Amino acid sequence: SQTIHQWPATLVQPVGSPLSLECTVEGTSNPNLYWYRQAAGRGLQLLFYSVGIGQISSEVPQNLSASRPQDRQFILSSKKLLLSDSGFYLCAWSVGAGDTQYFGPGTRLTVL
Amino acid sequence: GESVGLHLPTLSVQEGDNSIINCAYSNSASDYFIWYKQESGKGPQFIIDIRSNMDKRQGQRVTVLLNKTVKHLSLQIAATQPGDSAVYFCAFYNQGGKLIFGQGTELSVKP
Repeated sequence: SQTIHQWPATLVQPVGSPLSLECTVEGTSNPNLYWYRQAAGRGLQLLFYSVGIGQISSEVPQNLSASRPQDRQFILSSKKLLLSDSGFYLCAWSVGAGDTQYFGPGTRLTVL
Repeated sequence: GESVGLHLPTLSVQEGDNSIINCAYSNSASDYFIWYKQESGKGPQFIIDIRSNMDKRQGQRVTVLLNKTVKHLSLQIAATQPGDSAVYFCAFYNQGGKLIFGQGTELSVKP
């Protein structure tokens, strides 16, 4: 069966520091991968998605970037964090476009 | 713009009762709908889905109903248990292939 992992689970970072969040998927090949952010008490906002290695699409202009160095690895990064980057970051995968998306456990990021 | 709305932001039910969570969507071209359950501090968990060629689909204790005429989706949970307490999101794919989420309904189950 497929599983999706995210780490770290929680992170507290100062403003201006770099960020690296990692997501890996097991049990499937060439998945579509997604990064979402969820503000407290709100729905999910799509940040990035990837249909293959090195292929990244950005949904909203922001202080973040994404990379996919391996088929089942998706990384969310920032060179300098802002206070507004705080939130709950979720990685998801799907077999293909338009298919069910399955979510990881999330990373709670607090920028101070 | 596209939207998925929820009629009730919070729902409180007694343990053992049935729960109904409603969702209205705006894109009549959408053909795939998903319900997710999100417990506090966790990622959304897939519950059940339905395609537009169906109007009802049943799972274990859950039923999803789709009314395409009025663009309305509902999730019914039978014999609600304390473990069902969570935020429930409906979602659909728009024509651009993006999964659009509702704002969520918080279900609280009273023992």
